[in-house]
Amino acid sequence: SQELEQSPQSLIVQEGKNLTINCTSSKTLYGLYWYKQKYGEGLIFLMMLQKGGEEKSHEKITAKLDEKKQQSSLHITASQPSHAGIYLCGADSRYSGYSTLTFGKGTMLLVSP
Amino acid sequence: KAGVTQTPRYLIKTRGQQVTLSCSPISGHRSVSWYQQTPGQGLQFLFEYFSETQRNKGNFPGRFSGRQFSNSRSEMNVSTLELGDSALYLCASSLAAPRTLIAKNIQYFGAGTRLSVL
Repeated sequence: SQELEQSPQSLIVQEGKNLTINCTSSKTLYGLYWYKQKYGEGLIFLMMLQKGGEEKSHEKITAKLDEKKQQSSLHITASQPSHAGIYLCGADSRYSGYSTLTFGKGTMLLVSP
Repeated sequence: KAGVTQTPRYLIKTRGQQVTLSCSPISGHRSVSWYQQTPGQGLQFLFEYFSETQRNKGNFPGRFSGRQFSNSRSEMNVSTLELGDSALYLCASSLAAPRTLIAKNIQYFGAGTRLSVL
């Protein structure tokens, strides 16, 4: 079965600083999803990456997929308190059937004023 | 367009009881997946339904079951509750297009049901 490892597990950054979260897969990535979760609430879809080398941006968040390394990174530029939360990566495994995602354990981000 | 709706938001039960959670998907979405989230294990897949049929099941005991109705709404049931069943249960819906249209498999999550077993 596919496993996703996220690093770091938690992160405290000062407002305005940049940060990067990584997600490494034990198997080939065919679809990689990034979600954000506020504590105790549902997941909010951020971005989906399909192809190696693909890069997507939304506001101050950029995600990249390195297929060879079986890794994805999420970069936040000029962090704000609104960026605080838990970031989860999810992988769509070709062998796991439809609509089944395997998730990493998450990265908790705190942004200090 | 309304998002995924889960009811109730919070539940408190005692060991041995059973519980039913409900999920209404986004209009037009035919796939509903259920996940369990705990601090120790993270987010784990329970099962997925499409057109009233269970297509995929995670590694959970038979006490966990679910069903999907003709309007795509889904319920999950947990019988004989154990303390370890305390968790946030999340439902997600997607269009669940064929494999080649992977972009349409994006799952949209509800706010979850927080179950506490005492």
